[in-house]
Amino acid sequence: DAGITQSPRHKVTETGTPVTLRCHQTENHRYMYWYRQDPGHGLRLIHYSYGVKDTDKGEVSDGYSVSRSKTEDFLLTLESATSSQTSVYFCAIQGEGPGNTIYFGEGSWLTVV
Amino acid sequence: GQNIDQPTEMTATEGAIVQINCTYQTSGFNGLFWYQQHAGEAPTFLSYNVLDGLEEKGRFSSFLSRSKGYSYLLLKELQMKDSASYLCAVRDLRAAGNKLTFGGGTRVLVKP
Repeated sequence: DAGITQSPRHKVTETGTPVTLRCHQTENHRYMYWYRQDPGHGLRLIHYSYGVKDTDKGEVSDGYSVSRSKTEDFLLTLESATSSQTSVYFCAIQGEGPGNTIYFGEGSWLTVV
Repeated sequence: GQNIDQPTEMTATEGAIVQINCTYQTSGFNGLFWYQQHAGEAPTFLSYNVLDGLEEKGRFSSFLSRSKGYSYLLLKELQMKDSASYLCAVRDLRAAGNKLTFGGGTRVLVKP
């Protein structure tokens, strides 16, 4: 258990509305990540953070923004949700396991209608 | 960038052995990871290889050949609970943020 909590776990929202997903960790890890997972595409990195207020884009960052004002919280915001953003979103942290293993939160299922 | 390939789906019988192959192309290899993911759940870490050779962990083993850009995950004495997707992921030295890049995953179905 890497001490990662995601909220909400499930959400249905309408096209054009803003949505924020929260990732909370309890073990003071420096690196945090947001991935999305879709059939046929696997896990793709949206944004990551390497410290408070230090964030950078991943491979599928368009339409998403992030913020990290505290070590323990990493927020993912969809400014104006679109149906193409219907997906499962996983937060992850880099832990101290073999090879600095990445550990995942339980996931947030988002449906944009 | 990185290109990671693994088969989409495999079927095997309970008690048998299954080998899941993963090939990758990366300019600065810095480790290969295998994850297990049951339907509707998060990926969980299985194994890590950074040097050539075989790493054994109970019924699961992972092999790496850096010169060939090749790894496999071996599942022995298959159990029904091993039905899941298996994800291969690679870390590149030059990738910012120590991120992992994932293959599409291999869905393994274990039949009685």
